[in-house]
Amino acid sequence: KQEVTQIPAALSVPEGENLVLNCSFTDSAIYNLQWFRQDPGKGLTSLLLIQSSQREQTSGRLNASLDKSSGRSTLYIAASQPGDSATYLCAVKGVKAAGNKLTFGGGTRVLVKP
Amino acid sequence: GAVVSQHPSRVICKSGTSVKIECRSLDFQATTMFWYRQFPKQSLMLMATSNEGSKATYEQGVEKDKFLINHASLTLSTLTVTSAHPEDSSFYICSARGSGAKNIQYFGAGTRLSVL
Repeated sequence: KQEVTQIPAALSVPEGENLVLNCSFTDSAIYNLQWFRQDPGKGLTSLLLIQSSQREQTSGRLNASLDKSSGRSTLYIAASQPGDSATYLCAVKGVKAAGNKLTFGGGTRVLVKP
Repeated sequence: GAVVSQHPSRVICKSGTSVKIECRSLDFQATTMFWYRQFPKQSLMLMATSNEGSKATYEQGVEKDKFLINHASLTLSTLTVTSAHPEDSSFYICSARGSGAKNIQYFGAGTRLSVL
């Protein structure tokens, strides 16, 4: 059974500092990995999706890396802003044989202080 | 990107009543839809998976008679919480996936259910 862990569970940084969020998964047989942002009481906003054949994806200040063999992904957010405050969720899509399910980590709650 | 619409966004009901939540894919055909539940400060937990025209597959521990799922068309799935009780109060999120090769799921904005 796939298990996804996110460390740290919470993170508080001053504005301008770079953010590093970690995600690890136990089963390397994945189809893709996705990072989401969730604001309090709201749904999910997809940030980046990395297919299993890729090693990283970039979008603006966001960069996500994937090391499938070691079961790790890292989300980097450069020059953080107060508007980046939210919960960030990592989710792994299993291959068809594993049920093709999306398994979520527990999330990292980020607070960027002005 | 693809759009998934979920309605209502918030519902408050009395204990014992049934509540229906709709999930629609607006610009693509959703061959598979997923229903998740999220308790405060916790992550999303998959409740069930449904393919259009088929019965839903429920995750272990999820009561299929309590959480009725209908996926009658390629653009609409509904989740009905029957005889809701306060412990069913939660945030419910639907997700839809088309038949594309990239195997991407798109998420609705969620429904906050409060059972009094």
